[in-house]
Amino acid sequence: ETGVTQTPRHLVMGMTNKKSLKCEQHLGHNAMYWYKQSAKKPLELMFVYNFKEQTENNSVPSRFSPECPNSSHLFLHLHTLQPEDSALYLCASSQGQEETQYFGPGTRLLVL
Amino acid sequence: AQKITQTQPGMFVQEKEAVTLDCTYDTSDQSYGLFWYKQPSSGEMIFLIYQGSYDEQNATEGRYSLNFQKARKSANLVISASQLGDSAMYFCAMTYYTGTASKLTFGTGTRLQVTL
Repeated sequence: ETGVTQTPRHLVMGMTNKKSLKCEQHLGHNAMYWYKQSAKKPLELMFVYNFKEQTENNSVPSRFSPECPNSSHLFLHLHTLQPEDSALYLCASSQGQEETQYFGPGTRLLVL
Repeated sequence: AQKITQTQPGMFVQEKEAVTLDCTYDTSDQSYGLFWYKQPSSGEMIFLIYQGSYDEQNATEGRYSLNFQKARKSANLVISASQLGDSAMYFCAMTYYTGTASKLTFGTGTRLQVTL
């Protein structure tokens, strides 16, 4: 499934760096999501956007800042992260919020 | 609260055999959706199959079928004629509506290894 792309695929950053993750969906969907997948833990929903409006913030620390300029693009801005933030960050999209979610390949993030 | 339980951390199956991956769920909602995703080592989460809570027939997609037993709150995935490429993590998931948004909650996954 190449309908959802994510860049970069791998990212190593220091705790004082600022970086951004990008997600783009080519499926004409209206809802987009950020998930965090840490080792040996279930996927955790971070943010939900529906028609560019944020509808869910799952108690995510403010060092993660999402941005959704349009229904096709979703960003996750990162700053002053902690080593425990190292994980696989997955983006997903769906036609509507109750429809099947399609995922991108993820960004593997390592915070040193 | 909604919860997905996958009790099999790992499973082995021989090539060409069938395998069942277990999933039970807990919800008080009347309307919900159940999903199975496959995650190879590359990391991408691949959608496999969907079952709606009001669907009377079990969902099927090629070699994948979902054994939906509503009264037991189980939604097991059956993979027929296993192939080496089926080796991956498999996640069961369920949608639920919070009042403001629809969310997808995942189980902890089952790692399937297909052997020769």
